[in-house]
Amino acid sequence: DAGITQSPRHKVTETGTPVTLRCHQTENHRYMYWYRQDPGHGLRLIHYSYGVKDTDKGEVSDGYSVSRSKTEDFLLTLESATSSQTSVYFCAISDGSNRGTIGETQYFGPGTRLLVL
Amino acid sequence: GNSVTQMEGPVTLSEEAFLTINCTYTATGYPSLFWYVQYPGEGLQLLLKATKADDKGSNKGFEATYRKETTSFHLEKGSVQVSDSAVYFCALLIYNQGGKLIFGQGTELSVKP
Repeated sequence: DAGITQSPRHKVTETGTPVTLRCHQTENHRYMYWYRQDPGHGLRLIHYSYGVKDTDKGEVSDGYSVSRSKTEDFLLTLESATSSQTSVYFCAISDGSNRGTIGETQYFGPGTRLLVL
Repeated sequence: GNSVTQMEGPVTLSEEAFLTINCTYTATGYPSLFWYVQYPGEGLQLLLKATKADDKGSNKGFEATYRKETTSFHLEKGSVQVSDSAVYFCALLIYNQGGKLIFGQGTELSVKP
């Protein structure tokens, strides 16, 4: 299994509070991703990173920010949590070394279940 | 735009039955295609993948063939087991600054003894 951990694994918070989720990898992979999983939507990309301090938006980035100050850590912040951000959040990594040939495989963390009351 | 459509679930089968989960896609260019599986309470695991037309991905008795002419990547298994009960996601990969996965909505499979 790829060395990816997420913390916390479960969190309950109140509307309007800030929340930070952490993804930590031990694989030294260049690319990291944050997805959210909601019933009927599969997984949707929130933000991704293609290197330290290099990040970009995904399809559902409103209300979220990210930071990557080290290769191994990718933080997802909800500046002011809302009930619509209740979801399961997954981090993924890929090394980017096989693009265009055998294709990049993304490896997923165990997920963080967030409930915003 | 880029999108993936999977057959609606849940799918309920008896053990040893034949499984097909349909997946079709819309994409510009030539994406790679993936099937991921999510067991209860866990993250997603790669099940199989194919990177070009007519490629067949296979793993653990599951197979899927990349059909460019029908823009499909249907998942099949000849004889399912109770342990195959999970949610299956079809996805395509967009090559742009590291690659973005576009997922289908997932299909829940329940296999009864």
